[in-house]
Amino acid sequence: SQTIHQWPATLVQPVGSPLSLECTVEGTSNPNLYWYRQAAGRGLQLLFYSVGIGQISSEVPQNLSASRPQDRQFILSSKKLLLSDSGFYLCAWSLENTEAFFGQGTRLTVV
Amino acid sequence: AQSVTQLGSHVSVSEGALVLLRCNYSSSVPPYLFWYVQYPNQGLQLLLKYTSAATLVKGINGFEAEFKKSETSFHLTKPSAHMSDAAEYFCAVSHTGGFKTIFGAGTRLFVKA
Repeated sequence: SQTIHQWPATLVQPVGSPLSLECTVEGTSNPNLYWYRQAAGRGLQLLFYSVGIGQISSEVPQNLSASRPQDRQFILSSKKLLLSDSGFYLCAWSLENTEAFFGQGTRLTVV
Repeated sequence: AQSVTQLGSHVSVSEGALVLLRCNYSSSVPPYLFWYVQYPNQGLQLLLKYTSAATLVKGINGFEAEFKKSETSFHLTKPSAHMSDAAEYFCAVSHTGGFKTIFGAGTRLFVKA
């Protein structure tokens, strides 16, 4: 069966520090991968998606970047965090005819 | 472009009462529609999905939703609320499968004893 791992679960970082959140998927090949951000009362906003290794599409302009160095690995990064980057970040995967499956999320607080 | 509107950011019901969470969608092509549930500080879990088969879709935990094309709606219902149903619920839409799923703002369901 397929599983998705996302870490860390919580993170407190100072303004201006770098960020690296990692997500890995097991049990499937060539999934579509996604990073969403959830702000209180604002639903989920799609930040990045990837249809293959090295292929990244950004949905919104922002202070973050994403990379996919391996088929089932998706990384969300920032060189310098802003206060506004605080939120709940969710990684997800899907195949052509499946719904999106979500990780457990990372609560990021920028202080 | 696709979009989802969830009517009511908060809904409160008594235990045993009907649950009705409203969702309207906008899509230029036949949509795939989903309802997800989220418990505090957790990821999203799929409740049910519509993929152009039967318009009445049954999901987990006694939930169901009806696709009404004429009303562009996909409301979520459950005949009798349970305390464990208290959570946040998201309606979502995509062109195909789960690719680039677009989510509504969410509805937080409170269940009173």
